[in-house]
Amino acid sequence: GAGVSQSPSNKVTEKGKDVELRCDPISGHTALYWYRQSLGQGLEFLIYFQGNSAPDKSGLPSDRFSAERTGGSVSTLTIQRTQQEDSAVYLCASSIRGGNEKLFFGSGTQLSVL
Amino acid sequence: GESVGLHLPTLSVQEGDNSIINCAYSNSASDYFIWYKQESGKGPQFIIDIRSNMDKRQGQRVTVLLNKTVKHLSLQIAATQPGDSAVYFCAENIAGGYNKLIFGAGTRLAVHP
Repeated sequence: GAGVSQSPSNKVTEKGKDVELRCDPISGHTALYWYRQSLGQGLEFLIYFQGNSAPDKSGLPSDRFSAERTGGSVSTLTIQRTQQEDSAVYLCASSIRGGNEKLFFGSGTQLSVL
Repeated sequence: GESVGLHLPTLSVQEGDNSIINCAYSNSASDYFIWYKQESGKGPQFIIDIRSNMDKRQGQRVTVLLNKTVKHLSLQIAATQPGDSAVYFCAENIAGGYNKLIFGAGTRLAVHP
């Protein structure tokens, strides 16, 4: 596609439920990142995928968070047993190779946990 | 400046003036820096980047200055326009090899006609 696509754009869920957030990176980009942005804050790194290498999961805040990337393209971020503090905008980004280069961000998924 | 919670520092400028947004980065080992612009409801949009072997880089109406001695980054926007109103983030890459970007808290730029 023309840009990074994320779905859904908004998700409202009840505390304790599981949610899945989807990211379609730019075609041909081998690197994919997930960031989280709380209201009025900067971006917090969550996880990074590059090709077939093991992902860097060092930013995931707890074991309730997991992510996968199938076929080197689409990625899904899963949050189990959601808590109110999980409410934030979840942003996905991709880049061509994953080196020191610019990231292209999607518009994000606004997650609200009630 | 630093921001706390919802209270992003705000820079207010008149249309046509030059804007300077400042950022202090945290790690002397960082070797790559980026400025992003984020409009309401959208993801961050790349503006300009600079590597640590440079002090200055210019783009269209924008200039980034890097002072490694004091770990300071600035973004200069010439002839600021209403469309420049947004939150601006600086980011540093401390991992090398991939963009494990560490973002600053952001500065809101408000352009008045």
